[in-house]
Amino acid sequence: DTAVSQTPKYLVTQMGNDKSIKCEQNLGHDTMYWYKQDSKKFLKIMFSYNNKELIINETVPNRFSPKSPDKAHLNLHINSLELGDSAVYFCASSHRKQWGAEAFFGQGTRLTVV
Amino acid sequence: QKEVEQDPGPLSVPEGAIVSLNCTYSNSAFQYFMWYRQYSRKGPELLMYTYSSGNKEDGRFTAQVDKSSKYISLFIRDSQPSDSATYLCAMSANYGQNFVFGPGTRLSVLP
Repeated sequence: DTAVSQTPKYLVTQMGNDKSIKCEQNLGHDTMYWYKQDSKKFLKIMFSYNNKELIINETVPNRFSPKSPDKAHLNLHINSLELGDSAVYFCASSHRKQWGAEAFFGQGTRLTVV
Repeated sequence: QKEVEQDPGPLSVPEGAIVSLNCTYSNSAFQYFMWYRQYSRKGPELLMYTYSSGNKEDGRFTAQVDKSSKYISLFIRDSQPSDSATYLCAMSANYGQNFVFGPGTRLSVLP
């Protein structure tokens, strides 16, 4: 039973298109994140939501918009895709007030913009 | 200076060796420290976490934190080829939030 699941796993699309990546967690966590991992494998946080409220919004282009319909879901919508958006996007979740504070990651969505 | 630094490797060791992986950081507010293992084309998976300074052992893995030096380590004893992966350190100042990752060290354990 997958704890954090993202769809799709692979996404190949043309420049200028709009695409969405979905994420769901069944761990009962109250905080969810989107991370971007570039070609050098560096994981960088993009957004964080706690109980459907945006709490972190790093310097990310406005073309990226997270949407959290409920605590268990955090989707990422990207408008007007650019070549530089090609990366692996990871969703993660954690429990804000649980000792240990570890984050669990999904398997990633490999986005290729052509 | 980057907030979290880590030697990217690659680090190659023979099977059975003791591996030492390290991270340094600049933010003295960090108090939760984690090590993740990431296999190729997979998501990171949590290996160890520690709070504040000290050591923690779990099987072949030992995590050490030295807050005074802003330095954390992960030791792997009796390394196996299945340990070949990228190891990421991560840290945060508060419960369950604002994780900052190091760039990862790629480890190869040769049979």
